[in-house]
Amino acid sequence: IAGITQAPTSQILAAGRRMTLRCTQDMRHNAMYWYRQDLGLGLRLIHYSNTAGTTGKGEVPDGYSVSRANTDDFPLTLASAVPSQTSVYFCASSALGDSTGELFFGEGSRLTVL
Amino acid sequence: GQNIDQPTEMTATEGAIVQINCTYQTSGFNGLFWYQQHAGEAPTFLSYNVLDGLEEKGRFSSFLSRSKGYSYLLLKELQMKDSASYLCAALDSNYQLIWGAGTKLIIKP
Repeated sequence: IAGITQAPTSQILAAGRRMTLRCTQDMRHNAMYWYRQDLGLGLRLIHYSNTAGTTGKGEVPDGYSVSRANTDDFPLTLASAVPSQTSVYFCASSALGDSTGELFFGEGSRLTVL
Repeated sequence: GQNIDQPTEMTATEGAIVQINCTYQTSGFNGLFWYQQHAGEAPTFLSYNVLDGLEEKGRFSSFLSRSKGYSYLLLKELQMKDSASYLCAALDSNYQLIWGAGTKLIIKP
């Protein structure tokens, strides 16, 4: 059982380039989330989706976009990467859309923007 | 504003007991989570408390006091593999998770 799969695991990107981080889950969870994790800071929510076809903005959505065409996939796109987007990105899912359920995280995507 | 406070780093000895504290200030409250995160890995779920009191799960226990805005994670019989960061997160009235920066726990032999 794969759970949540993220790709790529690591990427170095030139500023101004477009980048899509992929996230796929096989648990049929309704809710999916994208977080970024930076040293000394807590996980910060970028975007979320409570069910296929709907998305919402989190705490730090600027510069990022998402789509949820089906239950399994939740890609995160950086339209024009900037150095402040250097971070570790985690995709997560939960069975319950109200966040009272356990979150299952992918292994993370380490992104460096130069 | 909403805020989660937990110590940045703690050190403990193998076989001992350690308590990691977390205080929270949120707009409303719908429960508190603890997650474990080993270096370079994803966070994994440890516990969820929504009612006051102590929840025990093997060597790990989690306590909540809603009136004090306080929780702790208690780890007993520490093992070297418990060296990790422990993340506290509170669920606010909009069911948004507010995360602390994490407590790095170092276990020494």
